[in-house]
Amino acid sequence: DVKVTQSSRYLVKRTGEKVFLECVQDMDHENMFWYRQDPGLGLRLIYFSYDVKMKEKGDIPEGYSVSREKKERFSLILESASTNQTSMYLCASSFRGYYNEQFFGPGTRLTVL
Amino acid sequence: SQQGEEDPQALSIQEGENATMNCSYKTSINNLQWYRQNSGRGLVHLILIRSNEREKHSGRLRVTLDTSKKSSSLLITASRAADTASYFCATDAWYSSASKIIFGSGTRLSIRP
Repeated sequence: DVKVTQSSRYLVKRTGEKVFLECVQDMDHENMFWYRQDPGLGLRLIYFSYDVKMKEKGDIPEGYSVSREKKERFSLILESASTNQTSMYLCASSFRGYYNEQFFGPGTRLTVL
Repeated sequence: SQQGEEDPQALSIQEGENATMNCSYKTSINNLQWYRQNSGRGLVHLILIRSNEREKHSGRLRVTLDTSKKSSSLLITASRAADTASYFCATDAWYSSASKIIFGSGTRLSIRP
């Protein structure tokens, strides 16, 4: 079974703090993704990576950065957390290729106070 | 940028009834996927239908695709309480160096006992 794990289920941080969200997958997937999910807005892609050290901006990259030093690990960084970044963050991974079913982690609910 | 839009946004039915959700999209696709999300959890892949397929079945799920109308439907037959969840359609798109999928905003399905 594919397993995608995220470092925390719930996280509470203060405005201005640097926040790291980590995601690990165990299926040797080339692609990894970070989404945020907000009520009424569905899933919005923040960043994705198609290979180690490679990254591409998604639809809402502002205020975020990412790091992929190893194939199995993809980190999302909030350089200076703000209250409007309070959200559910979902990590996903998939094989590179034509039919790219994505496998999701359980999500991290981040609250920024 | 949302490619798929689900309809209705919310649906409440009696256990045992069939549930139908629809998805419309804007541009040509290679495939369309349906995902389920239980409350506060990550998404789980349900079924993928390719652009050259018109109908696909998986257990109690039936998906249809009409590329001329740019629409898809998900039918869940003989609904159960455990089917209570949000359902998302996702369409593929090429984005710079890798393919990715774009999610709609989802249909919230509630099954009444």
